[in-house]
Amino acid sequence: DAGITQSPRHKVTETGTPVTLRCHQTENHRYMYWYRQDPGHGLRLIHYSYGVKDTDKGEVSDGYSVSRSKTEDFLLTLESATSSQTSVYFCAISESYRSSYNSPLHFGNGTRLTVT
Amino acid sequence: DAKTTQPNSMESNEEEPVHLPCNHSTISGTDYIHWYRQLPSQGPEYVIHGLTSNVNNRMASLAIAEDRKSSTLILHRATLRDAAVYYCILRGPGANSKLTFGKGITLSVRP
Repeated sequence: DAGITQSPRHKVTETGTPVTLRCHQTENHRYMYWYRQDPGHGLRLIHYSYGVKDTDKGEVSDGYSVSRSKTEDFLLTLESATSSQTSVYFCAISESYRSSYNSPLHFGNGTRLTVT
Repeated sequence: DAKTTQPNSMESNEEEPVHLPCNHSTISGTDYIHWYRQLPSQGPEYVIHGLTSNVNNRMASLAIAEDRKSSTLILHRATLRDAAVYYCILRGPGANSKLTFGKGITLSVRP
């Protein structure tokens, strides 16, 4: 299994509080992604990173920010959590082959976030 | 981004082959076809991917139509552990290419 650790695994927080989720990899992969998964919506991309300090938005980026100061860590921050951000969050990584789109994604085990 | 279309659900019997279809009529010439699956309460798991030729690995086979507008994931002998949501996804070129997941197909396996 790819070395991906998400922390925390579970978190309950109150509306309006900041929350940071961490994704740590030991594979030295270039690409890292944050997805959220909700019933009826499948997996939706929030943000992704294609290198240290290089990030871009996905399809549901409003209300989220990310940072990547080291290859191995990709942080997802909810500046002011809302109930609509209650979800399961998955981090994923992929290698940088010569043709980047030929490389599969490997996912972490997820963080279940509840905003009350 | 090119989209994929999958049935919502399929059923199979244990130890029988399963063919999971996926349509991707707007696929471009450089899009790779990826398949992932997600077991209950787990993160998605990579299954297989290909470009034009059929592909085999220890988990499954991927059959790609000659015009590349459809593909089929083949599980040769379904087990109860194969019950999962299977996602067919296209990944385009470019250093910043990303995977967009649809709702997938839910596979049920009967003992």
